Amino acid sequence: DSGVTQTPKHLITATGQRVTLRCSPRSGDLSVYWYQQSLDQGLQFLIQYYNGEERAKGNILERFSAQQFPDLHSELNLSSLELGDSALYFCASSRYRVPNTEAFFGQGTRLTVV
Amino acid sequence: DAKTTQPPSMDCAEGRAANLPCNHSTISGNEYVYWYRQIHSQGPQYIIHGLKNNETNEMASLIITEDRKSSTLILPHATLRDTAVYYCIVRVNGEGSQGNLIFGKGTKLSVKP
Repeated sequence: DSGVTQTPKHLITATGQRVTLRCSPRSGDLSVYWYQQSLDQGLQFLIQYYNGEERAKGNILERFSAQQFPDLHSELNLSSLELGDSALYFCASSRYRVPNTEAFFGQGTRLTVV
Repeated sequence: DAKTTQPPSMDCAEGRAANLPCNHSTISGNEYVYWYRQIHSQGPQYIIHGLKNNETNEMASLIITEDRKSSTLILPHATLRDTAVYYCIVRVNGEGSQGNLIFGKGTKLSVKP
């Protein structure tokens, strides 16, 4: 158990819909990272938040957005969903703005768009 | 893009050492080598990291060549539970750098009985 909690574990929704994925980081961790893993793209970095502020942005679509709340949990919002958005979405956390050691990953949310 | 090159797959007999190579010929002086693994769609798991000295922990050993252009992750006594995709990642630490990890395709290690 990494200490990072992601909910829900599974999500099935229709094209055009909007969903919210939730991540609770390890106690004391200030950075949260979101990654997308699809079969053909591997693990892709989406976005990082540190202590409530956006820190780095990767290959995140404009239809996707994220935020980190004062209690440090984070949400990833995916809208106007397309079939190609079906993937595993991982959240990771680390203690510092720039991790000097390791990042801890949650078990992921499997999103299926039908 | 990932800055590392790894073989796509490797086999290892259970109980034997698994040696996973990684080439990172363009590594900069301030970039660390990190290893993570992912067991069948679970979240990636940190294994070990190093800068230029060899490192060992309870999971594995990391051997970095003197010129730092390649490294080897060693699992001393592989078990069936070590079957996973192993990712070698190079990243800068410290202020001014981004903290995200750039994953390549990794090496699929299959440990066989």
